[in-house]
Amino acid sequence: DTAVSQTPKYLVTQMGNDKSIKCEQNLGHDTMYWYKQDSKKFLKIMFSYNNKELIINETVPNRFSPKSPDKAHLNLHINSLELGDSAVYFCASSQAVRAVTGANVLTFGAGSRLTVL
Amino acid sequence: AQKITQTQPGMFVQEKEAVTLDCTYDTSDPSYGLFWYKQPSSGEMIFLIYQGSYDQQNATEGRYSLNFQKARKSANLVISASQLGDSAMYFCAMREARNYGGSQGNLIFGKGTKLSVKP
Repeated sequence: DTAVSQTPKYLVTQMGNDKSIKCEQNLGHDTMYWYKQDSKKFLKIMFSYNNKELIINETVPNRFSPKSPDKAHLNLHINSLELGDSAVYFCASSQAVRAVTGANVLTFGAGSRLTVL
Repeated sequence: AQKITQTQPGMFVQEKEAVTLDCTYDTSDPSYGLFWYKQPSSGEMIFLIYQGSYDQQNATEGRYSLNFQKARKSANLVISASQLGDSAMYFCAMREARNYGGSQGNLIFGKGTKLSVKP
């Protein structure tokens, strides 16, 4: 069983469309994240949820809206897609981090490659 | 200023030799955690090794070890006896206290080093 699964793996769409990426984890983790990896491979946090509650909302356009129906799921909806949204989007999860030096490892999904034409 | 600096965009190593991938970090917090991840060409992110700022000993995990020099703020990854399957991007990442307050574990990543292992 895949620990963190994302669908779809590939997504090709036109500018202006709306699309969603789904993420599910079966690790029993409390915290889930969305990261964006750009064409230069740079990974940056977008959102973090802990037990369905939004914790981090980095400087991300409000066209991006995360939704966590339960602590095992964190979906990402993107409205009015732009060329610059083309990237690989990674979902990740971890146990709730109780101490900053805690070795709570982020387990990543396989990534969803979004291409906006 | 970059929080995590990986100065080697690309590196080559001969199979069976050891290689060191550099990582320096910038934080004024005394409490932080350092991570290394591997990203092969297939794209997934694989956790390799972790070092906490208060850990007295360098972390080791099989062929991976972390050369932690706190005063120099460096956390270099050492891979011993390189294998062809080690060819991948390697990312250093940090969790620091100022991000922790609301972050629940957010990691800040460096730009990565592409390692190529030659047969």
